[in-house]
Amino acid sequence: NAGVTQTPKFQVLKTGQSMTLQCAQDMNHNSMYWYRQDPGMGLRLIYYSASEGTTDKGEVPNGYNVSRLNKREFSLRLESAAPSQTSVYFCASSVRRSNYGYTFGSGTRLTVV
Amino acid sequence: QKEVEQNSGPLSVPEGAIASLNCTYSDRGSQSFFWYRQYSGKSPELIMSIYSNGDKEDGRFTAQLNKASQYVSLLIRDSQPSDSATYLCAVNLDGDKIIFGKGTRLHILP
Repeated sequence: NAGVTQTPKFQVLKTGQSMTLQCAQDMNHNSMYWYRQDPGMGLRLIYYSASEGTTDKGEVPNGYNVSRLNKREFSLRLESAAPSQTSVYFCASSVRRSNYGYTFGSGTRLTVV
Repeated sequence: QKEVEQNSGPLSVPEGAIASLNCTYSDRGSQSFFWYRQYSGKSPELIMSIYSNGDKEDGRFTAQLNKASQYVSLLIRDSQPSDSATYLCAVNLDGDKIIFGKGTRLHILP
């Protein structure tokens, strides 16, 4: 049982490049989330998908887009990477909305130079 | 702005003692409360959830909730060096998402 799988684990981008972070869960969870974690800032919600077919902005959505491809997969895209997007990105999922807490993936460490 | 506040620490506790971690939150409508443990370089791991006022015990961990005071705490009994980590308090917001505190770093002294 893999839980929540994120790829890649590490990535270095040049300013202006684009990339997609992939996330998949095998727990039949309905809700999925993307957070970023920065020193001194804690975990901040970028986008979330309460159920398949829906997506909503979180606290820091600017510069990002998401796609809920199906019930299992929720991707995060950076269209034109900026140094301010250097961070650790976590995907998480929840059985139903957020009432029961999240299961997190192992994270993607992204550096934009 | 709805917030979750935690003391950043570090909180240093001797091995075998009780570690007490505290958290306050601003949204009176919150119904679900969580404690996550995060080791350095790793992802957060859910260790406790609590939904009603009072205490909830799970092994060496006890979560305490006081909705009137908007206060959540986590007690770790018989602290072990392996408990050294950052502990994140999290609060359900509007049923759709969770907001996290910035975390308290806990250091267990051997």
